[in-house]
Amino acid sequence: EDQVTQSPEALRLQEGESSSLNCSYTVSGLRGLFWYRQDPGKGPEFLFTLYSAGEEKEKERLKATLTKKESFLHITAPKPEDSATYLCAARHRGGSNYKLTFGKGTLLTVNP
Amino acid sequence: GAVVSQHPSRVICKSGTSVKIECRSLDFQATTMFWYRQFPKKSLMLMATSNEGSKATYEQGVEKDKFLINHASLTLSTLTVTSAHPEDSSFYICSAGDTYNEQFFGPGTRLTVL
Repeated sequence: EDQVTQSPEALRLQEGESSSLNCSYTVSGLRGLFWYRQDPGKGPEFLFTLYSAGEEKEKERLKATLTKKESFLHITAPKPEDSATYLCAARHRGGSNYKLTFGKGTLLTVNP
Repeated sequence: GAVVSQHPSRVICKSGTSVKIECRSLDFQATTMFWYRQFPKKSLMLMATSNEGSKATYEQGVEKDKFLINHASLTLSTLTVTSAHPEDSSFYICSAGDTYNEQFFGPGTRLTVL
């Protein structure tokens, strides 16, 4: 069964305290690992797509990495405005289409 | 990034009525759009894949007669929740891809069925 698991479910950090979020996946025929940020009552906002093991992408304080079994979202010196739910999703074959299977997300709270 | 809009953002309806939600890609053409449902503190669950000019592909357990999807053009897909009941109350989100590599989401529609 195609599965995406994120940990931890919730994470509280002090401003400036770096950490990492984990996303492990078990899907057949991965065609991209996606990271999104979701604020309450809003749709997910695209952050990164990774395609192959060893690939890394950065955007401001965020860096995403990918291995054959998992992906990490590293947050360096976070600020309160980084507080949100971070979702990862694996794109894979589902019938005749490619589709995204999402993890449950990590709720990140950054305290000033 | 590409912009996807949804309308309405919130809707409250009585049990037994039907509700239509629109999803538009504003600055690109999308041959494929996706409809998701998200319950509180839960992940996004794919409901169906909408292909322009053809029938939607529904995920297992999603009733196609209850959740009607129409993808009439390359910029518009609609989801109609027919004979809505309180258990259909949820956050409905659509997405569209402008290339094979990215998928952009709308802001979501909060449906409350009384």
